[in-house]
Amino acid sequence: DVKVTQSSRYLVKRTGEKVFLECVQDMDHENMFWYRQDPGLGLRLIYFSYDVKMKEKGDIPEGYSVSREKKERFSLILESASTNQTSMYLCASSLRGTINYGYTFGSGTRLTVV
Amino acid sequence: DQQVKQNSPSLSVQEGRISILNCDYTNSMFDYFLWYKKYPAEGPTFLISISSIKDKNEDGRFTVFLNKSAKHLSLHIVPSQPGDSAVYFCAASQSGGYNKLIFGAGTRLAVHP
Repeated sequence: DVKVTQSSRYLVKRTGEKVFLECVQDMDHENMFWYRQDPGLGLRLIYFSYDVKMKEKGDIPEGYSVSREKKERFSLILESASTNQTSMYLCASSLRGTINYGYTFGSGTRLTVV
Repeated sequence: DQQVKQNSPSLSVQEGRISILNCDYTNSMFDYFLWYKKYPAEGPTFLISISSIKDKNEDGRFTVFLNKSAKHLSLHIVPSQPGDSAVYFCAASQSGGYNKLIFGAGTRLAVHP
């Protein structure tokens, strides 16, 4: 079974800090995604990557950046954390061209910015 | 503008009865639809999918129906079990878009004995 691992389950950071959320998958998937989940809004796509060093903006990229230096790792960076970035962050991966099986998600990182 | 809408934030069903979760979409270019299930403190897990060339797909207790003319899909769970209590997300995708999924807001299903 493919596994997507997010490095932290819970994080508390201060306003203005630079925050790194790490995600690693172990099944050689080309596509990786970062979503945030908020009540009443569902999952919203922040950024995705379809190959090493390639990235595309999702629906809500403002205040975030990403890095994909290796195929298995996709990092989400909050350049200067703000309280409105308090959320559940979910990383996912998928094989190129296999939408019928959907994504595999990690367990999520609950980030609180104080 | 939300392209995928789940208008019912919650649903309560008795054990053994049918659960019907609904989803509407606005983008006629979507050609693949999926349902995910999410328990608290866990990531969403894939449940069932349907291509736009079909109008029904079954997997055990779960059936998804697609009505393209109405831009509507639904997930039926029969019979419902307490372990089905979770948040259900509908998602849609368009071919050639790097498998990018657009999710709805979710419906919280509670199955009570």
